Amino acid sequence: DTEVTQTPKHLVMGMTNKKSLKCEQHMGHRAMYWYKQKAKKPPELMFVYSYEKLSINESVPSRFSPECPNSSLLNLHLHALQPEDSALYLCASSQILAGGSDTQYFGPGTRLTVL
Amino acid sequence: GENVEQHPSTLSVQEGDSAVIKCTYSDSASNYFPWYKQELGKRPQLIIDIRSNVGEKKDQRIAVTLNKTAKHFSLHITETQPEDSAVYFCAALYNNAGNMLTFGGGTRLMVKP
Repeated sequence: DTEVTQTPKHLVMGMTNKKSLKCEQHMGHRAMYWYKQKAKKPPELMFVYSYEKLSINESVPSRFSPECPNSSLLNLHLHALQPEDSALYLCASSQILAGGSDTQYFGPGTRLTVL
Repeated sequence: GENVEQHPSTLSVQEGDSAVIKCTYSDSASNYFPWYKQELGKRPQLIIDIRSNVGEKKDQRIAVTLNKTAKHFSLHITETQPEDSAVYFCAALYNNAGNMLTFGGGTRLMVKP
């Protein structure tokens, strides 16, 4: 099974709302990632978790708060977002190999619209 | 950090023709180079990848070549079909402490029937 799942598929929220995006994988991968993708652009890395610990934060604003409750789950908590945060949010996972990470498998994404 | 450039940004071919997409990377420490296909509204899907100890890899109509000296790698699709139409992203894994995958800007491939 090479599937990463994400919920919800679509999310519309106001600038004062608090919401969460969820990601799950059952491939035994120990690295999980959040990416943001704007239209006609490549995915842009936001956060990396390795062995359930935050290893990379690409200078993401604090209105985005990641959480990795266990090795299968990854959450992204959203609060006080701006309209420019509207995008496709992709989760990915991969093995961690001795020489670096392995293939990253992407979830279907959450299409977020901030009003 | 790593920088990946991808060309062309758009590519239109006739069904049955070949398509070639080229990428260059900046950091010689990068050692893993995947290619993703993304259809409109869908997730990026891995179509082929290559590691730095290999010069070429083929999977049916798709092949990837890697020139480590020149720091460039290319995707070759032969006998293109309309269902190959999508955006293709190359990427390079910068093997530092963080498992960071850097993407190229993408190529929109259109295969005309």
